[in-house]
Amino acid sequence: QQQVKQSPQSLIVQKGGISIINCAYENTAFDYFPWYQQFPGKGPALLIAIRPDVSEKKEGRFTISFNKSAKQFSLHIMDSQPGDSATYFCAAQSSGTYKYIFGTGTRLKVLA
Amino acid sequence: DTAVSQTPKYLVTQMGNDKSIKCEQNLGHDTMYWYKQDSKKFLKIMFSYNNKELIINETVPNRFSPKSPDKAHLNLHINSLELGDSAVYFCASSWRGVWQFFGPGTRLTVL
Repeated sequence: QQQVKQSPQSLIVQKGGISIINCAYENTAFDYFPWYQQFPGKGPALLIAIRPDVSEKKEGRFTISFNKSAKQFSLHIMDSQPGDSATYFCAAQSSGTYKYIFGTGTRLKVLA
Repeated sequence: DTAVSQTPKYLVTQMGNDKSIKCEQNLGHDTMYWYKQDSKKFLKIMFSYNNKELIINETVPNRFSPKSPDKAHLNLHINSLELGDSAVYFCASSWRGVWQFFGPGTRLTVL
């Protein structure tokens, strides 16, 4: 019940296309869902995060869609660019806990 | 002005040795973490300290011992290094567990 399942494991998208990464969880106590972006040789960096009181959050080309009833959330990268090529991690957390449960990561490659 | 810094960035050592990794954060956060990232990129939490108190201690061999001398520092000492300890170790910090900032990582290679 503590797992966060992330898919796909890897993704190849053409420049200008939409990249979509999905995550699913079981624990209904989770109430904070961040996404992290990690470039090779670097630490993960917070990209965007959402709480379940909203169904969508957008920051620039990055959008989180959240479906509370389905216990799923996804990251959409619009107009994907080669510079977006990185590994993306979703995560989930329950309020009052200090622990993130990370997904297994998605390696995104955007072709020029 | 790095928010979360780690030293060293690379560590190459022989099996059986003891080594330490140091982490410092200048964000004023109250919580610090150690994560291990293996070759498949899985991020696994190892330990967390809140205000110098150990609050997360995952199933980690007792050869790994964290120490937090103050809220801004968290060190990781590893005894009797094994081949399977080879990984990238990340330090992170947060305010009350939310919005974790990660350091640049320490790549440990055990020969």
